[in-house]
Formats: sequence, structure tokens, C-alpha cells
Amino acid sequence: SAVISQKPSRDICQRGTSLTIQCQVDSQVTMMFWYRQQPGQSLTLIATANQGSEATYESGFVIDKFPISRPNLTFSTLTVSNMSPEDSSIYLCSVEWQANTEAFFGQGTRLTVV
Amino acid sequence: SQELEQSPQSLIVQEGKNLTINCTSSKTLYGLYWYKQKYGEGLIFLMMLQKGGEEKSHEKITAKLDEKKQQSSLHITASQPSHAGIYLCGAGRAGNMLTFGGGTRLMVKP
Repeated sequence: SAVISQKPSRDICQRGTSLTIQCQVDSQVTMMFWYRQQPGQSLTLIATANQGSEATYESGFVIDKFPISRPNLTFSTLTVSNMSPEDSSIYLCSVEWQANTEAFFGQGTRLTVV
Repeated sequence: SQELEQSPQSLIVQEGKNLTINCTSSKTLYGLYWYKQKYGEGLIFLMMLQKGGEEKSHEKITAKLDEKKQQSSLHITASQPSHAGIYLCGAGRAGNMLTFGGGTRLMVKP
């Protein structure tokens, strides 16, 4: 199994600022995924991050707002830029693991923008 | 793109009662995942189904995938307050990437 650590676990930020969320995996993985869960909503995929290439964003998400880094096979960051209260959500990272197994998730970062 | 519809959106049941949550896909499912999320917390993996007609059980929770692989159900027998939370179904895409349904919020009254 994969153990995924996310930092910070929660934060309260001022509008207009940026927050970088870190995701660390205890094994090397090819793909890492970032999801957003808005209050009372389900999870929505933001982007897929492969090491050595630019992240691939889902419709409705752009790199300027959610820049992602993937410097190596065990680490990724997601930045939420120029935050507004609408960005208040739980952000979760997940990883590609073996086929036909559970998808592993970090515990999430609860972001509140005031 | 694949869409998952969950029903009901929310459910309140009396402790001890049985309940069923449904997940319907707009396309054939090649991997269907069930997760539970306690309010404000991370995801707890429940089960994954792949084959048409497959059924899996864990403690008092049973999940089924229909023969056509477009619908799954999650059944809880003799519900307990510990079953309360949000139940999410997810359709597998490439590499464990998932598309999630809207979730079902379950409350169990003691």
C-alpha cells in the first residue's frame, strides 16, 4: 500500500494570498492526482501530475490558478493562487498504484479563505 | 466523459434499519470504488468491484455491480451510528484516477 502525507492539514488564509500544499508518498509513483472537495460536494479532479512534465488539468481548472510541481517520484505540490472565499475546500492528493487496487488518498488539506 | 449519479443524495435512518445507496454510470464501469468519508475527514476505502455481477461484503456492508456494469449498489444491514458519513462511488479511469459521484450523506439516528 501507499502512505500519503499532506501538509498542512488545515489553514485559514486571507483572500488574495496563495497557499502551497505538499503531498509526500512513501513509495515512488508515476502519477499523482489532485482533487478538490468543495463544502457539501463530492470530489472533483483538478489535475494529474507526472514527474518531468507539465501537469494535465481538467476542464475548469487552469495552471495560473492551481500551479503544480512534481520535482520527483515521491513528492508534489499544489498551489492555490490569489485565493478567494470560493476556494475554501478540502484539497486531496492521490497516487497511481497497482492496477485493480484501491486508490490511495492523503488525509486532505482543509482550506478556509477569509 | 463519464458521469456518476448517486441516489439518494441524503438519507436518515433509524439505527438497526437496512439501507441501500445506488450509483449509476453514464458509461460502462471498468472499476467501481466505494469510499466512506466521515464529515470533514479523509476517505476510507470500502470496496472495489470490477466484474459484472460481482458482489463483495465487509462486515455489514455489501456492494454489488450489475451484469451490464453500469450500476452499483451499496447495502448496509442493521445500520449503526458508526455508519454515518458520506458515501462516495468512484469510477476508475487510467491509473487509479477516479471520477466521483455526488455522494450520499447518511445519518443514523440512535
